[in-house]
Amino acid sequence: DAKTTQPPSMDCAEGRAANLPCNHSTISGNEYVYWYRQIHSQGPQYIIHGLKNNETNEMASLIITEDRKSSTLILPHATLRDTAVYYCIVRVGWDDYKLSFGAGTTVTVRA
Amino acid sequence: NAGVTQTPKFRVLKTGQSMTLLCAQDMNHEYMYWYRQDPGMGLRLIHYSVGEGTTAKGEVPDGYNVSRLKKQNFLLGLESAAPSQTSVYFCASSYPGLAGERRSYNEQFFGPGTRLTVL
Repeated sequence: DAKTTQPPSMDCAEGRAANLPCNHSTISGNEYVYWYRQIHSQGPQYIIHGLKNNETNEMASLIITEDRKSSTLILPHATLRDTAVYYCIVRVGWDDYKLSFGAGTTVTVRA
Repeated sequence: NAGVTQTPKFRVLKTGQSMTLLCAQDMNHEYMYWYRQDPGMGLRLIHYSVGEGTTAKGEVPDGYNVSRLKKQNFLLGLESAAPSQTSVYFCASSYPGLAGERRSYNEQFFGPGTRLTVL
C-alpha cells in the first residue's frame, strides 16, 4: 500500500470548514483513498472514499488532485463532536482486506 | 441492530493467563477482523477472516489465535498473555460487495473495543 503523510494536529473553529490534507505521492492507479476517524476511545468510523473523482456524502467531501498524489477531506461545518483523530488510508479496492492506520491527524474543534 | 459488539469491555490478566475475546456482528457480513491499538498509535491488524471456517494472519499475529466457527462470531484467543499484549483490541466486520457493485466498497464497521491489561 502507498504510504500517506498527514499533519499531526490541527485546530478548527466550530461552524467553520475543516480542511484536512493528505499526501500519497506513491499511490498506484488501482488504489483508493479512504478516510476514517476515531473519536476518543471509540472504534474507528468510516467517512468517505474515492478513486480519482471528487466525492461527497452526508459527512464530508473528498477532493483528490488530478495527479492523485494528494487529497483533502473537508468537513463543511465542523462541530465539537467532530473532534477526533482522522486517518487517511490508501489501499487497493475490495480485494485488499487490510486497513493500514498511520498516526493520523488529531483535529480539535474549538467553540 | 446492534452492529458489532465485543465482550468483555475491560479485562486484567496476569502474565501467563489465557483468555478469549468475543466479537459478534448482526449485519451478516462475510469479513471480520481483529486489530490492536497501542497508546498514541494507529490500529494494527492481528488476524482476519473472509468467511465462516477461514482465518488468515495479519500484520501482528504472533501470540494470538482466532476462530470463526459461526459467520456472526470471531474469537480472539491469547494462550499465554504477556505484558506486551496490553492494548485496546478492536473487532471489525465488512461486506465485500457483489460482482458488478462498486468494487472499492469495503467499509469496515468497528466495535467499541476491549481494554486489556496484562500485569
